[in-house]
Amino acid sequence: GQNIDQPTEMTATEGAIVQINCTYQTSGFNGLFWYQQHAGEAPTFLSYNVLDGLEEKGRFSSFLSRSKGYSYLLLKELQMKDSASYLCAVYNTDKLIFGTGTRLQVFP
Amino acid sequence: DSGVTQTPKHLITATGQRVTLRCSPRSGDLSVYWYQQSLDQGLQFLIQYYNGEERAKGNILERFSAQQFPDLHSELNLSSLELGDSALYFCASSVEGTQSGGEQFFGPGTRLTVL
Repeated sequence: GQNIDQPTEMTATEGAIVQINCTYQTSGFNGLFWYQQHAGEAPTFLSYNVLDGLEEKGRFSSFLSRSKGYSYLLLKELQMKDSASYLCAVYNTDKLIFGTGTRLQVFP
Repeated sequence: DSGVTQTPKHLITATGQRVTLRCSPRSGDLSVYWYQQSLDQGLQFLIQYYNGEERAKGNILERFSAQQFPDLHSELNLSSLELGDSALYFCASSVEGTQSGGEQFFGPGTRLTVL
């Protein structure tokens, strides 16, 4: 079967660092995506990992370990506008399978 | 603005009815994907078209169908609507297929309410 697990909710303070974990068990793996989605809006692409290791992009970084079926998204210097849902998605052969998302609330 | 357009933005209809949702991909994108997002569920992949041909199928009900036209726009047809079909329906597009790491660009979505 296909299983992607993320925490349902997280809270953090403005200026802090937060790590959102994602574990997956899928029948195939061709890459892992992270998307950001504000309430009622379309998801927007954050990162893509296909090889093990860390990909850094400004305040956001994403890490992948294929042997452990594990990824995380690291958000630094949190801002209020980072309050959103963060979706982990595995590309499996021919389709993108999304986790249910982690709702992050950033407080002042 | 992702460059993907979807119409209508909102749709309210009754059970048993049929509706058509429309999507225009970004200029140059050949792949179109349809997703359903209900309140308590994540994004569920429905179907993908690439250059007019069906490429991949997800958890799409038999009451739902889609097609991609020669000008690359796509339509998702939902029939015999049920209350549980109420959801946000997103269309996304990418240049090729996501297997090459191609980012999917999402449209603003169509919010369907079935009463």
